Order: sequence, then structure tokens, then C-alpha cells
Amino acid sequence: AQSVSQHNHHVILSEAASLELGCNYSYGGTVNLFWYVQYPGQHLQLLLKYFSGDPLVKGIKGFEAEFIKSKFSFNLRKPSVQWSDTAEYFCAVEGNYQLIWGAGTKLIIKP
Amino acid sequence: NAGVTQTPKFQVLKTGQSMTLQCAQDMNHNSMYWYRQDPGMGLRLIYYSASEGTTDKGEVPNGYNVSRLNKREFSLRLESAAPSQTSVYFCASSESRGIRNQPQHFGDGTRLSIL
Repeated sequence: AQSVSQHNHHVILSEAASLELGCNYSYGGTVNLFWYVQYPGQHLQLLLKYFSGDPLVKGIKGFEAEFIKSKFSFNLRKPSVQWSDTAEYFCAVEGNYQLIWGAGTKLIIKP
Repeated sequence: NAGVTQTPKFQVLKTGQSMTLQCAQDMNHNSMYWYRQDPGMGLRLIYYSASEGTTDKGEVPNGYNVSRLNKREFSLRLESAAPSQTSVYFCASSESRGIRNQPQHFGDGTRLSIL
């Protein structure tokens, strides 16, 4: 069965620190990969997506993610976080018409 | 452009009561989805409607029914609410299911508590 694993459930960082959130999936076929973000009190929003081509994709607000096919990973990165990045981040993988979600990572940025 | 609109935003029910969660989208999307979000578990698909006139079970359909009323609206019904259905429910839509480059757009969610 397909699954998505997000390594950290809670991450606390100080402003200007670098961020990397892990996402691994299990699915052998072609996949579409997404990161969504849910800011406090808001609905889920698409942060970035990968379908094909350059495995390093850039999203909104300075986020980027790298698809490493051999490692079944799609980690989210940001060089310098801001207080406004406090949110919950979800990795999602679409394969065979099924969108499977990770459990989410709550990110807290200390001012 | 409202996107995906869910009503109500909050609801408290007693065990055994029934209720319908409403969802409407104004993006002319073909596909609509209902998820539940529970702590530590991410989103789980309850039901989806790939296109108007069709509905299919997702990962956790038991205890729920859905109606795709028209292209805009997709409702979720709890016939006899149980405490295990306490959750946050999200409706989403996408232009077409399984088509590349078509991410899902989400509503604000409904917080449902079953006592």
C-alpha cells in the first residue's frame, strides 16, 4: 500500500535558521508530489508541486523541495525561516489516481 | 472568487444525531473530495466525486454518505453520529482527478464534535 512518512511531527526553530522537513513515500510508479501548508486558522494551501523535469522545484515564500527518486524522498527546504512561517506542513503523493497524505509537521518559529 | 466554501464552520452533535456538511466550489472544477483530519494522522479521504453524477469511496467511508448535487456542490452526511467521527472535515476540489498539474483547492474546514 502507498504511504507517506513525514519524519518530524513538531519542529521548533529560531528566526533566520535553515529549515528542512523530510518526506518519504512508498510507491513504485510515477508520482506527483506536493507540499501543502496550513497557517493557523486558515485552509490548506499549495506550497509547491513536482510533476516532472527539474527535480528541484521552487514554491511560494522562498520554499523549495528536491525530488530524489532513488531515495523516494521529497524534502522541503527554506534557507532562512521567518516567524510568519509558523504553520503545519503536509507532504502529499499522488500515484495511481490516489492522493496520499503525510501526518503533517507542525513548525513553530520563535521570534 | 470564493473558491471552496464549507458550512458550517463549527458543529456540536450528540451521539446518534444526523447532520449534513455542505460544500460548494465556484471554480468550475469537475472533481470534489471530502477528507477528515485527525491529529497525527494527516488527511484521510472519505469520499470523492470524480465528476458530476459519480461518487466513490475513499479510505474511510464507513458512517458517511455523500451527494454530488450538481457540479458545484458536494455534501457529506452523517446519518448517526458517533464520537469517533469527531474531527475536522475538509472539502476540496480540483479540475480533474488524476490529471497532472491539477492540485486540490481546500475549504476552511468544519470542526465537528460528537458528544
